[in-house]
Amino acid sequence: GAVVSQHPSWVICKSGTSVKIECRSLDFQATTMFWYRQFPKQSLMLMATSNEGSKATYEQGVEKDKFLINHASLTLSTLTVTSAHPEDSSFYICSATRTPKVMNTEAFFGQGTRLTVV
Amino acid sequence: SQQGEEDPQALSIQEGENATMNCSYKTSINNLQWYRQNSGRGLVHLILIRSNEREKHSGRLRVTLDTSKKSSSLLITASRAADTASYFCGCQGAQKLVFGQGTRLTINP
Repeated sequence: GAVVSQHPSWVICKSGTSVKIECRSLDFQATTMFWYRQFPKQSLMLMATSNEGSKATYEQGVEKDKFLINHASLTLSTLTVTSAHPEDSSFYICSATRTPKVMNTEAFFGQGTRLTVV
Repeated sequence: SQQGEEDPQALSIQEGENATMNCSYKTSINNLQWYRQNSGRGLVHLILIRSNEREKHSGRLRVTLDTSKKSSSLLITASRAADTASYFCGCQGAQKLVFGQGTRLTINP
């Protein structure tokens, strides 16, 4: 199967700082990537859809200025948590589908990033 | 809001028994996908069933889809301790893949 690499796997940062998480599709091109957030023992909540070369589409209730998404190439999307607070501590996971987007195709997930804000 | 709802939320069975998890969804879908997640890790794709399919098999996995009831089930036969994980159904719409709450499956040796 295709490989999606997410970096870093874990990060600890101080309140008020910003953290950037990278999501790369290693062996395929992805026009669209998705960012999810997961709290302990809960499901994945879709935060935003990242489209290469255009603005991300955010889900209702997700602050655009808080969670900056950049999808500058067909293999890389980044999520920047700005002015992080302890309540932003969570597990962030990205996924990608192949390009051109084919219906009824599986999504490939990164290994996730554990963010802890202290 | 989440598209899918799963039950049970937690399931604990003995090794060798079969495990069944259910997923219900609200709106129309193109396909439904089942994923597995080990604690603190990413999701691993298990099986995809299209909206025009009713049943699909992959090894010890059997998935059914009933679009009239907007529900799906995942059956794991002859369970093993290594099957212990959380299982999520993902409902694929026009573009987004949205997940249910998941079932935490524990296989006891």
